[in-house]
Amino acid sequence: NAGVTQTPKFRILKIGQSMTLQCAQDMNHNYMYWYRQDPGMGLKLIYYSVGAGITDKGEVPNGYNVSRSTTEDFPLRLELAAPSQTSVYFCASSFGGDRGRKTQYFGPGTRLLVL
Amino acid sequence: KNQVEQSPQSLIILEGKNCTLQCNYTVSPFSNLRWYKQDTGRGPVSLTIMTFSENTKSNGRYTATLDADTKQSSLHITASQLSDSASYICVVSVNEKLTFGTGTRLTIIP
Repeated sequence: NAGVTQTPKFRILKIGQSMTLQCAQDMNHNYMYWYRQDPGMGLKLIYYSVGAGITDKGEVPNGYNVSRSTTEDFPLRLELAAPSQTSVYFCASSFGGDRGRKTQYFGPGTRLLVL
Repeated sequence: KNQVEQSPQSLIILEGKNCTLQCNYTVSPFSNLRWYKQDTGRGPVSLTIMTFSENTKSNGRYTATLDADTKQSSLHITASQLSDSASYICVVSVNEKLTFGTGTRLTIIP
């Protein structure tokens, strides 16, 4: 199993550009998550999904969009990149939610720099 | 103010020594408290998970403890190895919402 994979590993964007961060998992997990990690800060939840076709906002959803058409994939879309979106983005997945004490498995992250 | 505070921010110890990392939280009650290890340039990996009613959980050389009265958790690392160099993150969850601490950066030197 590859686990959770993310592409690209690193990207530089100009202000106003758009891009999609890709995330895929091969563990047949129903829950998937997008987090951002800023220097000196704890991870913040952007969006999450409890299954194909179902998504919901997390703590910091502004400026992002997601879709979940398959169990395996959960792309994160940035429509108009802003310097405040410079961060490291992590995708995670789990088989069930936290109430079930299900462990979230994280991808290696995408480092995004917006200039 | 973050609801999950960790100390110290960074720590350097010699290989083979023990160390203890602290986590103070204000969210209560909570569903679960987790400790994650994050190697540089990688995603976090789960080390331990405890429910509100548990007070200790071990995973090899890692032992997490929980004191619900003082709202503190600690992660004790025994006989440290160079591969323990990483950030250690405390995560508290309430009703499916996870609150992440800012982490302790641990460096093991030979």
